[in-house]
Amino acid sequence: AQKVTQAQTEISVVEKEDVTLDCVYETRDTTYYLFWYKQPPSGELVFLIRRNSFDEQNEISGRYSWNFQKSTSSFNFTITASQVVDSAVYFCALSAYNQGGKLIFGQGTELSVKP
Amino acid sequence: EAGVTQFPSHSVIEKGQTVTLRCDPISGHDNLYWYRRVMGKEIKFLLHFVKESKQDESGMPNNRFLAERTGGTYSTLKVQPAELEDSGVYFCASSQVNAFTDTQYFGPGTRLTVL
Repeated sequence: AQKVTQAQTEISVVEKEDVTLDCVYETRDTTYYLFWYKQPPSGELVFLIRRNSFDEQNEISGRYSWNFQKSTSSFNFTITASQVVDSAVYFCALSAYNQGGKLIFGQGTELSVKP
Repeated sequence: EAGVTQFPSHSVIEKGQTVTLRCDPISGHDNLYWYRRVMGKEIKFLLHFVKESKQDESGMPNNRFLAERTGGTYSTLKVQPAELEDSGVYFCASSQVNAFTDTQYFGPGTRLTVL
């Protein structure tokens, strides 16, 4: 069975602080994708990143970075120098090869960045 | 290029009534997915269309839910009769051709409240 766990339900930081959102996944498949989506207050789910199971390279995009570690089944997301506009609910998701593309989501982490 | 659109954005109905949600995927996307988030919980898969065919409807909660995808374009999700536990946000997503390798892009969701 596939499962995604985001243990942090809510995080509150002050602007300019760095923050890491944790994501732990479970799957028996060796071929899978991991995703992060952002849900701002407006409600839509915005795609941030996708990483396949054969690529453990960390990725950096501006203030965002992602750390994929198969040894610990984790795909953590760090925001450097957080801004108020980063306030949103962030979802980690898994898509396993034998599941036809359906996404398995974690419960989401609500990030609040205060000025 | 227009993104995934959903209508209505909000719907408030009474228990026992019928509601129909509509999703227009990104033009040319073969895959269309429905997901649902019940308050505070994870986003859960409902079903997957490839063009006009249902590929996987394992997540549909019961036979009060009926999904269609006319001509492989837009999709509707009908709930009849609605129950209190059907309240939540219904998301639609679409992806191009390959259900596993192509990224799913989400619409803004329809917030359904059943009173």
